[in-house]
Amino acid sequence: DGGITQSPKYLFRKEGQNVTLSCEQNLNHDAMYWYRQDPGQGLRLIYYSQIVNDFQKGDIAEGYSVSREKKESFPLTVTSAQKNPTAFYLCASSDTGVSYNSPLHFGNGTRLTVT
Amino acid sequence: LAKTTQPISMDSYEGQEVNITCSHNNIATNDYITWYQQFPSQGPRFIIQGYKTKVTNEVASLFIPADRKSSTLSLPRVSLSDTAVYYCLVASNTGGGNKLTFGTGTQLKVEL
Repeated sequence: DGGITQSPKYLFRKEGQNVTLSCEQNLNHDAMYWYRQDPGQGLRLIYYSQIVNDFQKGDIAEGYSVSREKKESFPLTVTSAQKNPTAFYLCASSDTGVSYNSPLHFGNGTRLTVT
Repeated sequence: LAKTTQPISMDSYEGQEVNITCSHNNIATNDYITWYQQFPSQGPRFIIQGYKTKVTNEVASLFIPADRKSSTLSLPRVSLSDTAVYYCLVASNTGGGNKLTFGTGTQLKVEL
């Protein structure tokens, strides 16, 4: 059953600690994305990757880092430099090998709480 | 990059048709318009995609006028379970990647 897996579903951290959110896809999609969503708000793009070993900053990349060493994996690290890290984080992928208009497939998100 | 504008919220009743319009004045020639639905604490899911005129699938229709500067998602005979946030998205190929930026979405509330 193909899809995107984000883990864990809930994550709690102390302020000042880095934390890495996992995103794995078995859809064989080229492109992967990370979005942040705050309560009552829309999705804001953090980072995106078109192919392995390449990624681009989105609209709110400060305080975050990513890697794309494998096609199926796109982990997001929330660093201590991110001033307001508590949010709902969503990972997505798309089959841009077909078209850059290919629809996004989303995971079910990780809710990060930093205290 | 095409920026999208939608109403923040809409209210409806069960059984009615709901039309949500999205403005995308800067849409590029090769861009498609895609609509997503999001329930609380879940990732958005694809509803429908179109390029021009009209597209229909089992859950919705999408109307796009000739100038393509706007699009309208039509949900026939909504039910309580259609209460969700609806986003329109216009892909922008930057050459260095596919930067997909969502707008604020439209919160649809369906009541009995």
